[in-house]
Amino acid sequence: EVQLVESGGGLVQPGRSLRLSCAASGFTFDDYAMHWVRQAPGKGLEWVSGINWNSGSIAYADSVKGRFTISRDNAKNSLYLQMNSLRPEDTALYYCAKDISGDPDYFHYWGQGTLVTVSS
Amino acid sequence: SYVLTQATSVSVAPGQTARITCGGNNIGSKSVHWYQQRPGQAPVLVVYDDSDRPSGIPARFSGFNSGNTATLTISWVEAGDEADYYCQVWDSSSDHVVFGGGTKLTVL
Repeated sequence: EVQLVESGGGLVQPGRSLRLSCAASGFTFDDYAMHWVRQAPGKGLEWVSGINWNSGSIAYADSVKGRFTISRDNAKNSLYLQMNSLRPEDTALYYCAKDISGDPDYFHYWGQGTLVTVSS
Repeated sequence: SYVLTQATSVSVAPGQTARITCGGNNIGSKSVHWYQQRPGQAPVLVVYDDSDRPSGIPARFSGFNSGNTATLTISWVEAGDEADYYCQVWDSSSDHVVFGGGTKLTVL
């Protein structure tokens, strides 16, 4: 059974940093691209960042480019999102999502999300 | 950047057919995927590659994509279908995943 478990969310002040993690199990992690997708309270889905199977291709939404860094550790079956210079508009539920293939396409499985609140 | 446009809401009576559209410039040339998100839950893939269904998704869910519009059709709508529905594409020109704004399906 595929499982994606996010962690690392919490309350953080504007301008500070936070690192999210996603622990994956139930599939061969290094065969698949992975993504972070967020959802602000009462709003729609927003893709944040994606990384292909071997970290050779990485992309970011314009709203986070230069502030967020996605990475993966295939030996640990884990996905990460380093979030710097956080803003109130980054407040959202952050989902980890597994792609259908090694390169970006669509999301076959989702975690339950970790909540990030940016507020003073 | 590529933009996907969805109606904010659609309402339908039980047993009827719901059609949820997703507009984009020449979207027919892209593969469109659809997600269902019930309140308080993570999204679930219901249609991929325009018209294919993952295992476990009822045949009542179908998709079509042509020209500038992709459509998710839900036949014989049930109360349990009430949810937000999002379309999604991979925009190869920008290397970005793009979501539509979402459509709230209300079952009357």
